[in-house]
Amino acid sequence: QSVLTQPPSASGTPGQRVTISCSGSSSNIGSNYVFWYQHLPGTAPKLLIYRSNQRPSGVPDRFSGSRSGTSASLAISGLRSEDEADYYCAAWDDSLSGRVFGGGTKLTVL
Amino acid sequence: QVQLQESGPGLVKPSQTLSLTCTVSGGSINSGSYYWSWIRQPAGKGLEWIGRMFASGSTNYNPSLKSRVTISVDTSKNQFSLKLSSVTAADTAVYYCALSSSGVEYWGQGTLVTVSS
Repeated sequence: QSVLTQPPSASGTPGQRVTISCSGSSSNIGSNYVFWYQHLPGTAPKLLIYRSNQRPSGVPDRFSGSRSGTSASLAISGLRSEDEADYYCAAWDDSLSGRVFGGGTKLTVL
Repeated sequence: QVQLQESGPGLVKPSQTLSLTCTVSGGSINSGSYYWSWIRQPAGKGLEWIGRMFASGSTNYNPSLKSRVTISVDTSKNQFSLKLSSVTAADTAVYYCALSSSGVEYWGQGTLVTVSS
């Protein structure tokens, strides 16, 4: 059972906008930045969002992050087939004094 | 282009110590405000944070692994390492190393470690 809760799956058609949620608590998302990762099997996870809503250099602006209270979201607009991957949220947890990940969301592009 | 590569035994016996090394190329491991992390992913499961080390020498470890984990760095070799003692089958996973700073992260491709007799 992950400290951060994500839906196990999400889907959309090319061009659509999809949103993936990440629910936590006051000790993690409620008081610390959220990070989002894209992970394709057999490859290194890729940082998509840091500090809850910032994109690293090279990440398309189709990807955006937001945080409200103890929840966060990753939005992907203009969905493309290459976006099909697993997506993870992560945050520091003050109670655990450690970083916690969500269980991951498998995104399918129909 | 900074690249990371994990290396170490792919098979470890139960109760022994898992030892992995992450070699950084294309940049200095000690530049900027980087910190060094280890993360793992058991088959069919999500990512699990193991711990991190800062250039100052301070460390943070996953509470569930803290008693068994040590992360260290050898700046002369541009490497950092993970040691996990008293392993069991539950420690079988793909292990990733990562180099992070604000807005910048580099990950290795991961290495599978199987715990079995």
